[in-house]
Amino acid sequence: EIVMTQSPATLSVSPGERATLSCWANQTVSTKLAWYQQRPGQAPSLLIYAASSRATGVPARFSGSGSGTEFTLTISGLQSEDFAIYYCQQYDNWPLTFGGGTKVEIK
Amino acid sequence: EVQVLESGGGLVQPGGSLRLSCVASGFTFSSYAMNWVRQAPGRGLQWVSSISGSGGTTYYADSVKGRFTISRDNSNNTLYLQMNSLRGDDTAVYYCAKSRVGRTGFDPWGQGTLVTVSS
Repeated sequence: EIVMTQSPATLSVSPGERATLSCWANQTVSTKLAWYQQRPGQAPSLLIYAASSRATGVPARFSGSGSGTEFTLTISGLQSEDFAIYYCQQYDNWPLTFGGGTKVEIK
Repeated sequence: EVQVLESGGGLVQPGGSLRLSCVASGFTFSSYAMNWVRQAPGRGLQWVSSISGSGGTTYYADSVKGRFTISRDNSNNTLYLQMNSLRGDDTAVYYCAKSRVGRTGFDPWGQGTLVTVSS
C-alpha cells in the first residue's frame, strides 16, 4: 500500500497570503496525484488532478506541482472560502490512498 | 449538471447489514468508473471501493474486503454498496464519487450518507 503523508497538519495563514501544502508518497506515483478541498460540513471537491492540472471551475490561485514522491499545492492570495481541509490522493496503485489532510485556518 | 446523490444510511447494530445507493445524473453513467469513499467522524478520507463502467471489475480496501460488495445498474444509473457484518469502525459518512475520465481523480462527490453502527 502506498502511504501518503501531508505536512503540516495545520497551517495558519492570513487572508491574502500564500499557503504551501506538501504531500509525500512512500513510493513513486508518477504524476497520478489529486488534491481535494473539503469545507466544513461539505463533501470534498476536486481541485487538481495529474499533479498540476486544475479541475473545471477551480480558480487560478490554486496550483499543483511535483512528480514521483513529492508534491505541492500552492494557494496564492488566500480568500475566506479557501479556509478548509485539503487532501492529496494517489491513484497510481490499488488500494487508492489519501493523505491525512492539511487544515488551512485563519491566522 | 453532473450529480450523484447517495441514500440508504442509518443506524444498524453490529453484525447487521445495510445497502447504500447512489443515483447519478447528467452524464453517461455506464462510461465512467464509480467509487465509494468514507469519512469517520472527525477523521480523514478513506477509499472503500471502486467499480468499472461495465461493472466487470471491482476493487476493495482490505478493511472491507469480503464484507462489502460494490455493484451498479447501468440501466437505472445507480451505484450500490452492500455492507454486511458491519462493525463499529464502519461508522462514517459514505460518499459516492464519479471517476474522471482515465480514473484521474474523483469528481463530483455526493453529499454523503451517514452510517452508524451501534447497539
